[in-house]
Amino acid sequence: DQQVKQNSPSLSVQEGRISILNCDYTNSMFDYFLWYKKYPAEGPTFLISISSIKDKNEDGRFTVFLNKSAKHLSLHIVPSQPGDSAVYFCAASTHRSGRRALTFGSGTRLQVQP
Amino acid sequence: DGGITQSPKYLFRKEGQNVTLSCEQNLNHDAMYWYRQDPGQGLRLIYYSQIVNDFQKGDIAEGYSVSREKKESFPLTVTSAQKNPTAFYLCASSTGFKNSGANVLTFGAGSRLTVL
Repeated sequence: DQQVKQNSPSLSVQEGRISILNCDYTNSMFDYFLWYKKYPAEGPTFLISISSIKDKNEDGRFTVFLNKSAKHLSLHIVPSQPGDSAVYFCAASTHRSGRRALTFGSGTRLQVQP
Repeated sequence: DGGITQSPKYLFRKEGQNVTLSCEQNLNHDAMYWYRQDPGQGLRLIYYSQIVNDFQKGDIAEGYSVSREKKESFPLTVTSAQKNPTAFYLCASSTGFKNSGANVLTFGAGSRLTVL
């Protein structure tokens, strides 16, 4: 049972435009959501997180939006840069069980064209 | 610089052999994790440890074993019982229960295991 889903395996945008990466989840117990960026043959690096009590969190070019009723979140990158080309993973966790390890989606490969 | 060191970066194994992947952190984090990544898939949790001398199975623990004798170290052994061990293995750490906010994991650079 995949609790965190990223239904778009890839996305291509032009440099300077907005990139929107989407993520859906099924577990209503999740109380934190995180986005990670990953280059090939490297470990993921943390980008931004959001608490389930918020609907928006912004950090520079990166903004995450959360729609709890739809169990959907999205990462907006504005403006997109060629260096943003990577695989982006959505992840979620809950404090309400003993397990606080992150559950990851399958990732979306973003290609930013110069 | 604080971080997580995984070794070896590349490892080849013959079928039927056990191998151990090393993971060391100097971030003073309590919690450590092992994930596996397969092509086109997300990261799947193998084992995690919240404190020294304690660890729990993740979603795909069969064929793997771990130990947590020191806070800094969390080695993963891929045993011959693991049916499909060829994958990219990622170790991570976090402050764990000490942090009431988002559980931000810091990852190592990964180890790629290929079974010949």
